[in-house]
Amino acid sequence: AQSVTQLDSQVPVFEEAPVELRCNYSSSVSVYLFWYVQYPNQGLQLLLKYLSGSTLVESINGFEAEFNKSQTSFHLRKPSVHISDTAEYFCAVRENTGFQKLVFGTGTRLLVSP
Amino acid sequence: DAGVTQSPTHLIKTRGQHVTLRCSPISGHKSVSWYQQVLGQGPQFIFQYYEKEERGRGNFPDRFSARQFPNYSSELNVNALLLGDSALYLCASSPWVAGGQEQYFGPGTRLTVT
Repeated sequence: AQSVTQLDSQVPVFEEAPVELRCNYSSSVSVYLFWYVQYPNQGLQLLLKYLSGSTLVESINGFEAEFNKSQTSFHLRKPSVHISDTAEYFCAVRENTGFQKLVFGTGTRLLVSP
Repeated sequence: DAGVTQSPTHLIKTRGQHVTLRCSPISGHKSVSWYQQVLGQGPQFIFQYYEKEERGRGNFPDRFSARQFPNYSSELNVNALLLGDSALYLCASSPWVAGGQEQYFGPGTRLTVT
């Protein structure tokens, strides 16, 4: 079975500062890795995903994440955050075989202040 | 194109009652998955349906059931509601049952059990 650990429940940061949201996973099989964002009173939106190939993946709004197999991590980073990045961020894993069961972490609330 | 839609948006039920939640996937998507998100937690997988057949089930009691219709829409049913069933119920759709395809989430149904 897979599991996901997001060590930081809340990360406060000032606007234009860099941020890193940490994610570690555990699995006995190969997995796909995902970051989702959830704005208040909304569903989940995919931010970026790692399926295979380059270990560094990027989103269109400046976020990036790096898959580190030896450390079983998939940390999310952004060099300069905006007020609009304030949201809940969820890391998730899914086996690369079988059905599409996503296993989520408990989430990290990113709070960006001016 | 319309995204994943869910109805109702909110509802309040009493302990012991039954509830039915509905989901319409993105046009052309044949797979629907259901997740439960308790306040302050990450979503938990309940079911995946593909081509009207159950393809995956999470660790939920038999009070939870679902079905998928010929038009690929889906219903989630919960019997004998408990206070602990209060949560945001998310539906996600994707074109296929497996692989690295993205799952697109709806806005959710907020269920409150009193």
